[in-house]
Amino acid sequence: DQQVKQNSPSLSVQEGRISILNCDYTNSMFDYFLWYKKYPAEGPTFLISISSIKDKNEDGRFTVFLNKSAKHLSLHIVPSQPGDSAVYFCAATPRGSNYKLTFGKGTLLTVNP
Amino acid sequence: DAGVIQSPRHEVTEMGQEVTLRCKPISGHNSLFWYRQTMMRGLELLIYFNNNVPIDDSGMPEDRFSAKMPNASFSTLKIQPSEPRDSAVYFCASSMGYGYTFGSGTRLTVV
Repeated sequence: DQQVKQNSPSLSVQEGRISILNCDYTNSMFDYFLWYKKYPAEGPTFLISISSIKDKNEDGRFTVFLNKSAKHLSLHIVPSQPGDSAVYFCAATPRGSNYKLTFGKGTLLTVNP
Repeated sequence: DAGVIQSPRHEVTEMGQEVTLRCKPISGHNSLFWYRQTMMRGLELLIYFNNNVPIDDSGMPEDRFSAKMPNASFSTLKIQPSEPRDSAVYFCASSMGYGYTFGSGTRLTVV
């Protein structure tokens, strides 16, 4: 039973356009959400996070939106750059979990020049 | 800070052999996690330690897998005997809170 789902295995966008990566979750106990970015032959690196008390968090070109009622979050990258091409993982953790993260399967983003 | 250090980066072994993966977490981090990444299942949590104590090993696939953390600066994940279906990338991560720092991973191939 997958508690964090990234239903799009891949996404391709043109440089300069917006990239939107989606993530759905089923566990209503999740209250903190994170996005990680992974380049080939490297470990995932933290990108941006959001607490369940917020519905938006922005960091430069990256914005994460959280819709708690729909159990859905999305990552927006504007404008997209070729260096953003990577696998993006959505992750979530419930209260009192000792920070144990549950990850989605990832979405491969390709930004074409 | 050198980050989370994993060794080896690549391991090719024959079915039935013992494999040991190693991890040095970031100094001062009190939680350590072992994950396995495959195409089919994505990133799966195998086990995590808090203050060197195993807290949750429910993700360990079977008795062939074992993990230890003898001190705050070292952890091992052992597979004995290894099988071809164990082929994957194994990541170690450490944290002091919500943000994990991952190592570069060990790519294991069992032939």
